[in-house]
Amino acid sequence: AQSVSQHNHHVILSEAASLELGCNYSYGGTVNLFWYVQYPGQHLQLLLKYFSGDPLVKGIKGFEAEFIKSKFSFNLRKPSVQWSDTAEYFCAVGGATNKLIFGTGTLLAVQP
Amino acid sequence: SQTIHQWPATLVQPVGSPLSLECTVEGTSNPNLYWYRQAAGRGLQLLFYSVGIGQISSEVPQNLSASRPQDRQFILSSKKLLLSDSGFYLCAWSRRSGVGTGELFFGEGSRLTVL
Repeated sequence: AQSVSQHNHHVILSEAASLELGCNYSYGGTVNLFWYVQYPGQHLQLLLKYFSGDPLVKGIKGFEAEFIKSKFSFNLRKPSVQWSDTAEYFCAVGGATNKLIFGTGTLLAVQP
Repeated sequence: SQTIHQWPATLVQPVGSPLSLECTVEGTSNPNLYWYRQAAGRGLQLLFYSVGIGQISSEVPQNLSASRPQDRQFILSSKKLLLSDSGFYLCAWSRRSGVGTGELFFGEGSRLTVL
């Protein structure tokens, strides 16, 4: 079955700290992987996506994620977070089934 | 450009009453359509998705149903609401592609409170 696991439910960082949010998935075929972000009071928006090719994917606002097939992982990273990165982050997995399954989300609070 | 509209934005309904949430996409054709429920700490739960008119896949057994009467219209319904149906419902669409699930674009959401 298609599933996604996000290990960190709530992360608190100081500005300029590095960020890594874990995401592991379960899917039996070729995967499409996504990270979405939801800023307070706003809609979900796409941060980055992986379909194929270079496993290191760069997204908006300095975020990147690395697809490691052997570990079934797609962790999100940012070298130096800002207060404006405070948001909820969702990992999602899709594939040939046309359905997109989301993880439970990680709430990131960045303290100035 | 493509837009997605979802209504009503807020709904307060008594237990046992019917429900109809509507979602319409403009500016594209043959989209994949989705209904999710978002709850704090539980992420987005996929309820239904559709790859074409009249084609509905249900992900979670529940008190809700979905219909797609037109290509760009997706409706979430219930005949009798339960307290547990309260939540935030999101409609989304994606383009058809040959590489599987594409990027989803979300509506504004509908907040349902069942009393």
